[in-house]
Amino acid sequence: KAGVTQTPRYLIKTRGQQVTLSCSPISGHRSVSWYQQTPGQGLQFLFEYFSETQRNKGNFPGRFSGRQFSNSRSEMNVSTLELGDSALYLCASSFLAGGNEQFFGPGTRLTVL
Amino acid sequence: AQSVSQHNHHVILSEAASLELGCNYSYGGTVNLFWYVQYPGQHLQLLLKYFSGDPLVKGIKGFEAEFIKSKFSFNLRKPSVQWSDTAEYFCAVNARGRDDKIIFGKGTRLHILP
Repeated sequence: KAGVTQTPRYLIKTRGQQVTLSCSPISGHRSVSWYQQTPGQGLQFLFEYFSETQRNKGNFPGRFSGRQFSNSRSEMNVSTLELGDSALYLCASSFLAGGNEQFFGPGTRLTVL
Repeated sequence: AQSVSQHNHHVILSEAASLELGCNYSYGGTVNLFWYVQYPGQHLQLLLKYFSGDPLVKGIKGFEAEFIKSKFSFNLRKPSVQWSDTAEYFCAVNARGRDDKIIFGKGTRLHILP
């Protein structure tokens, strides 16, 4: 079974720009969660999608948004990028929604200059 | 708000030493508990999980964790570490019946000296 894939793997943007990250979950998984990982802060929950609906949202500003398609693939968008948005963005999929075992992708490393 | 604390941010041990990494959480209800590991250059992967039943959980690579409800703790242990255990370890908690988010601790970076 193929794992969770994320594209692109690396991204460099400048302040004020916007970015879209993509995640393809494991086949059959309908839940996709997004996390921001920064040194010393661990993983901070952004949002979870299940069957194209946002189930949960973390404490991030409205510049962070996401969506999920009918094939369970998910995208995350960050608008008006700030320097502090530089991080590793991780996507995780699971078969069921909520607090179940998650399978993580390799992440997208975003650098904002 | 629900939170997860990992008290040790950086741990250095010699090979064959015993390991215990602390994890405490702040939710009084029913929880699902996880330990994930991130080896250098690799994806986060599940080490072990607790949903219910025996509070002593065994995971991969000789790791185990004990859920102590009265202490709101889920500490990770390994009797004898190896150089290959060098990695970052994350404790995660899901407050069942609340908001269903999985909240991660800030991680413990473990360095094993050969």
